[in-house]
Amino acid sequence: TQLLEQSPQFLSIQEGENLTVYCNSSSVFSSLQWYRQEPGEGPVLLVTVVTGGEVKKLKRLTFQFGDARKDSSLHITAAQPGDTGLYLCAGARTGNNRKLIWGLGTSLAVNP
Amino acid sequence: EAGVTQFPSHSVIEKGQTVTLRCDPISGHDNLYWYRRVMGKEIKFLLHFVKESKQDESGMPNNRFLAERTGGTYSTLKVQPAELEDSGVYFCASSETGGSPLHFGNGTRLTVT
Repeated sequence: TQLLEQSPQFLSIQEGENLTVYCNSSSVFSSLQWYRQEPGEGPVLLVTVVTGGEVKKLKRLTFQFGDARKDSSLHITAAQPGDTGLYLCAGARTGNNRKLIWGLGTSLAVNP
Repeated sequence: EAGVTQFPSHSVIEKGQTVTLRCDPISGHDNLYWYRRVMGKEIKFLLHFVKESKQDESGMPNNRFLAERTGGTYSTLKVQPAELEDSGVYFCASSETGGSPLHFGNGTRLTVT
């Protein structure tokens, strides 16, 4: 059973389009992290959200943590080819923020 | 500063053989973690070192896996004897403190045939 469901699993869009990636769970997390991974490399942390309802922005990327701290979303505005990659969400349980629970990832391709 | 480095980047071994993976964390990072991603599955936590001590090894699959971090610097993860289901990408990550961001290495892709 997947504890963190990410959707969609694959996404192919044209440059300039907007997109949203979802990360859902029935479990409550103390924090949720979003990573981006490129082929042959390890995940790179983009953001950590901690408070229910929190919204964080990183240039054209907007991250939101659900009020109940069970879900999160990543919205990209005006996607660019450089945004191409695998986006992963990972949740931390209370009291053990290192034993992260990972989603399967969303593979994003932005075509010029 | 140098990032987390892992060696080898790829390893192909036969079932029953032994393989040792190495991870050099960022200098000064006391916390070191091993994760694994099996094809088609999510990344899963294996264990966590604080300096040379194992803080949490609850994710280690079985006793064929042995992780060490002698001297609190680099770490090794030995699989002996390897089984087919051990194939996957093994990631190492380090952090300065327990609450600071994780920095991942590029992983070791292990294939057991």
